[in-house]
Amino acid sequence: EPEVTQTPSHQVTQMGQEVILRCVPISNHLYFYWYRQILGQKVEFLVSFYNNEISEKSEIFDDQFSVERPDGSNFTLKIRSTKLEDSAMYFCASKTFAGPRPNEQFFGPGTRLTVL
Amino acid sequence: AQKVTQAQTEISVVEKEDVTLDCVYETRDTTYYLFWYKQPPSGELVFLIRRNSFDEQNEISGRYSWNFQKSTSSFNFTITASQVVDSAVYFCALSEGTQGGSEKLVFGKGTKLTVNP
Repeated sequence: EPEVTQTPSHQVTQMGQEVILRCVPISNHLYFYWYRQILGQKVEFLVSFYNNEISEKSEIFDDQFSVERPDGSNFTLKIRSTKLEDSAMYFCASKTFAGPRPNEQFFGPGTRLTVL
Repeated sequence: AQKVTQAQTEISVVEKEDVTLDCVYETRDTTYYLFWYKQPPSGELVFLIRRNSFDEQNEISGRYSWNFQKSTSSFNFTITASQVVDSAVYFCALSEGTQGGSEKLVFGKGTKLTVNP
């Protein structure tokens, strides 16, 4: 079964550094998402992306965050200047509206970001 | 605004007991979808079920069953004859709209289930 992949699985960075989290969505999917989960808390929506532009973003997704689909397969989340409170698990998801499981968001395994 | 409430923060049961995880949602839309996800200690999110707002039939899948009641805005999840492998955090989630677009998922805070041998 096709799956969403994310790299790296764990990223450690210093406060103030830029990080790029990478995702490869399922190949025929059209909608892409980033969610984050601070340790022990709920999963929170960050941003959705469709047709090469942001569809919706949450208040968490401020100017420090950006998303890109640089090459038709990867979907990236960039944090320009990381803060301690950015430490979390970041999940990528994708979906399509056709096929055997329409409109179901398929989640990747997550990238654990640790900001020191 | 959409909201999902999982009032049970943690539940602990002994193996073979039945356990019900509660989920109450709020939405102004008449068309919406409800989901349950399992998050084992390894951290990934495992999809369990999706239910749309027009389908109030209860569903059973092996030891899992779901009770959707629009009258009380609830979508409860029951595990029958629980097993140690069921130990995980379970999240209920809501998505509004007709699902033809990029509707986001709104998650509850999760219920941590521990099944003891």
